[in-house]
This record gives sequence, C-alpha cells and structure tokens, in this order.
Amino acid sequence: DAGITQSPRHKVTETGTPVTLRCHQTENHRYMYWYRQDPGHGLRLIHYSYGVKDTDKGEVSDGYSVSRSKTEDFLLTLESATSSQTSVYFCAIRIAGNEQFFGPGTRLTVL
Amino acid sequence: AQSVTQLGSHVSVSEGALVLLRCNYSSSVPPYLFWYVQYPNQGLQLLLKYTSAATLVKGINGFEAEFKKSETSFHLTKPSAHMSDAAEYFCAVSDSETSGSRLTFGEGTQLTVNP
Repeated sequence: DAGITQSPRHKVTETGTPVTLRCHQTENHRYMYWYRQDPGHGLRLIHYSYGVKDTDKGEVSDGYSVSRSKTEDFLLTLESATSSQTSVYFCAIRIAGNEQFFGPGTRLTVL
Repeated sequence: AQSVTQLGSHVSVSEGALVLLRCNYSSSVPPYLFWYVQYPNQGLQLLLKYTSAATLVKGINGFEAEFKKSETSFHLTKPSAHMSDAAEYFCAVSDSETSGSRLTFGEGTQLTVNP
C-alpha cells in the first residue's frame, strides 16, 4: 500500500518567517503534489513534481517554492509566511489511472 | 482548463434517506473523474473513480456515481444514508498526463445526516 507521511502535522509561525513542510512517500511514485485546502475553495494545487528535480507550478503557486532532490521527498517552502497562507496543506502521490493518494495533512497557522 | 462545480455546499438528509450529491465538470479531454470523502480532521479518501470504462461506477461504503457525458455530470448517490456518512465530499477531474495529471477539485459538499 502507498504510504505518505507529512511533517510537521501542526505548525504555528509568525508572519515573515520561512517555513518548510515535508512530504515523504514510502514507494517510488514519480508524481507528487502539494495542495492547500481552504473553506469554500476545496483543494487547490500549489506545485507538483514529475520526477527528481522536475517541478511545475499549479494554480496558487505565488509565495511558494518546492524542491525534490530524492524520489521519496517533496518539500514545500514558504519563503516568508503571510497570514493568507494559513491553511491545511496536503501532499499527494499519483498511484494509478490518474488516481491520487493523499497524506494526512499539515495544519499551518501564520500569526 | 478543467473545472468542477458542486451544487450545494451543504446537504442535509435523514438517516435512511437517499443521498444525492451533484457534480458537473468541464474538460477539454476525455475525463478521469473522482469522488473523495473527508471525515473531520482527516485526509482525503477515494470513494470511487471513472476512467472511461463503465458509466455507472460503484465505490466503497455503498456509494455509486453515474457518468453522463451529455450532461457533463458525475453525481454521487447512496440509496440509504447512514450516520457514519456525515463528512465532506469532493468531486475532482483529472488533467491529462502531459499536464501532470493534476486534479481540479470542486468546492466540496458538507453532508449532514440527521437521526
């Protein structure tokens, strides 16, 4: 079974500080995704990766960067966090037939 | 560009009643369509998916959905609601593999089941 861990699971930070969220998969799935979930908006794609060092932007990528130096890890960085980035962040992997399997989420609060 | 519209941000039914959650999509390519469920403070779990095989798709927990190309719809149904079905439900459409197989989600429908 596909397995995803996200760390941290909860984080409170202050405006202007850098934040990095980590997504780790236990298998070698090529595609990985970062989404944010906000009330009334469903989930929106921030960035995705289609291989080591291969990434592309999603619909809400401003203020975020990503890196993927190993197949199993996909990092999401907020260079300078803002209150508008308070959200729940989900990592996902593409497993089969365009189906995506989601991690447990990270709840980020920016004060 | 893909888009998904879920009609009704909140749906309330009585236990034992029919559940109908509506989803309409737009897609420039033959779609992959999905329904996910999210229980409180949890991640998303796949309920069912349409991948151009049978138009009536059966999923977990007694849910099913019918793909209707002429109506660009993929509504989710369950004949008899159970208290444990209370959750938020998301419809999603997948982009092509050349565009990263990205998912575009609807805004979600919160299902309440009343005793």
